[in-house]
Amino acid sequence: QKEVEQNSGPLSVPEGAIASLNCTYSDRGSQSFFWYRQYSGKSPELIMSIYSNGDKEDGRFTAQLNKASQYVSLLIRDSQPSDSATYLCAVNSILAGGGNKLTFGTGTQLKVEL
Amino acid sequence: NAGVTQNPKFQVLKTGQSMTLQCAQDMNHNSMYWYRQDPGMGLRLIYYSASEGTTDKGEVPNGYNVSRLNKREFSLRLESAAPSQTSVYFCASSEGMRPPTDYGYTFGSGTRLTVV
Repeated sequence: QKEVEQNSGPLSVPEGAIASLNCTYSDRGSQSFFWYRQYSGKSPELIMSIYSNGDKEDGRFTAQLNKASQYVSLLIRDSQPSDSATYLCAVNSILAGGGNKLTFGTGTQLKVEL
Repeated sequence: NAGVTQNPKFQVLKTGQSMTLQCAQDMNHNSMYWYRQDPGMGLRLIYYSASEGTTDKGEVPNGYNVSRLNKREFSLRLESAAPSQTSVYFCASSEGMRPPTDYGYTFGSGTRLTVV
């Protein structure tokens, strides 16, 4: 079982719709979770982080966390063509020697169609 | 504020050649990381440095070495390049040594390496 799993997609949604991206993780001890967006040929950029069970909203983005189910999701409301990208889920681990490490899923490709 | 700077941006190597990928951050971050990204494999951790003076292996360290030169700089060296090392390499940094409120990474723009 992969540590962080995502459906690779592509996920196609019409402009203005809600896009729902999902992620599951295997380490029950994980405390913090991140969503990154990566445009083709570019580096990942942080969209949101979430640490507590429930929802966290930031503009058109909502991250949802359910630690009991080991499940993280990202909702994008009013999807725009500029949202077309690959979305990476990442799970944090605290290292024994200090610092932290992110483990990434393989990403879900989102396509927002006009 | 440049963030994380990687050099070079593109490189073609012949099998057996060596090279060093450079990475520098100006955010006073404690932790630095090297990842490689391959189609269908996602980002995989090669090496990391939790703080200045320490380095540790990640998931895929074979064929690579690293040096944390100072707090700002973290280099990745390929001693004898192989075609399997063709990939996009990303350096990243994070504050690291804080309570778990924000461990997000800042990524460099990447190095696209082809080994022929």
